[in-house]
Parts: sequence; C-alpha cells; structure tokens
Amino acid sequence: GAGVSQSPSNKVTEKGKDVELRCDPISGHTALYWYRQSLGQGLEFLIYFQGNSAPDKSGLPSDRFSAERTGGSVSTLTIQRTQQEDSAVYLCASSWGTGGYTEAFFGQGTRLTVV
Amino acid sequence: AQTVTQSQPEMSVQEAETVTLSCTYDTSESDYYLFWYKQPPSRQMILVIRQEAYKQQNATENRFSVNFQKAAKSFSLKISDSQLGDAAMYFCAYRENAGNMLTFGGGTRLMVKP
Repeated sequence: GAGVSQSPSNKVTEKGKDVELRCDPISGHTALYWYRQSLGQGLEFLIYFQGNSAPDKSGLPSDRFSAERTGGSVSTLTIQRTQQEDSAVYLCASSWGTGGYTEAFFGQGTRLTVV
Repeated sequence: AQTVTQSQPEMSVQEAETVTLSCTYDTSESDYYLFWYKQPPSRQMILVIRQEAYKQQNATENRFSVNFQKAAKSFSLKISDSQLGDAAMYFCAYRENAGNMLTFGGGTRLMVKP
C-alpha cells in the first residue's frame, strides 16, 4: 500500500479482555516498530522486527504484551487481560533497513480504551 | 540510557512569525542522528527534518531549520513564516547510528494564531 496501515482505528474493550492490533507496513520495508503513546506523553518503544532476525522485545512492559510478524510483512500486537493503564494510542512504523539516518514511516495508530 | 527532553509543553506563535522549539538530549555516543517529527490531530507522525551528528552544518528543509549544538547536546527546531497548518505536536527524537529504535521526547504542542 501507499503507507503504513493500522487497524482498527479505535478499539474499546472491557478490562480483562484480550485485544489484537494489526499493522500493515509499507511493501518492501524490512523493519517494523511498535510504539505506545499515552495521553499527553511521548512515544514509548515496545518492540522491533528486522527481517528474519529475532525481534527486540526490550520495550514490552509486561508478559501480557506480545507481538508477531508473519512472513516479514503484517504484524499483530496482542495485549492479554487488558488493564486500564493499557489505554493509549499504539503506533506502528516501518522503514527500509535500520539505524542511523533511516526514516521511519508511521501509521495513524490504534486508540485503545480499556473500560 | 539515552534520554530526550522537550522543556516546552506548549508554544504559541502568530501566523507568519518565527518560533523555536527546544530539545536537549543525553548520550555518551558520538555517532547518532536527531529528528523532528510532527504529529497533527490525525495522529500520524510525519518526519520534518533530520540531522547527522557528525555534520556541523545545520539541516534545513524549506521553512524548517535546526540549531544543532553538539557540545551542549541541544537540537532546536526553528519554524519560519508559521502557517496555520503547522499547528500540531512536535517531537524530538534520537537514534544511535547502529541503533534500531527512536527515543522520543515528551513533545511540544504548537498553536498558530491567525
């Protein structure tokens, strides 16, 4: 596609339910990132995928959070047993390769509200 | 760990005037890159400008320019001839040359008055 696509755009879920957030990166981009943006805050790194390498999971806040990337393309971020503090905008980004000067292209995010 | 600080939660500028957004960072690395991203209400982060730390010349993109002071670890964004469409959240970000992730500051909300 023309840009990074995320779905759903908005998600309201009940506390304790599991949710899945989807990210479709730009075709051909090998790197994919997930960030979390809490209300009025900056972006917090969650997880990073690069090609077939093991993902960098160092930013995941708890074992309730997991992510996978199938076939080096689409990625799904799963949050199990959601808590109210999980409410945030979840942003996905992709890029050609990694590091340095590489520009990361962002999607419009999924706004998750846990009630 | 690297940290990025934006000390101005909100800034306001009159249309057609110039405004400067501040950013400081902390790192022990010498080879890194700095970025300014714009986030309009649509939530999509858009790259405004980027700077390589080993370059002394400040980056410029049309009405946007930076003042990069490596010794002071300062990376401010200057917006000239401000337009209504410039109103947004602006985030400063850092990445090591060999690094993967971007580290973001807390953001500055820019309001443009007509």
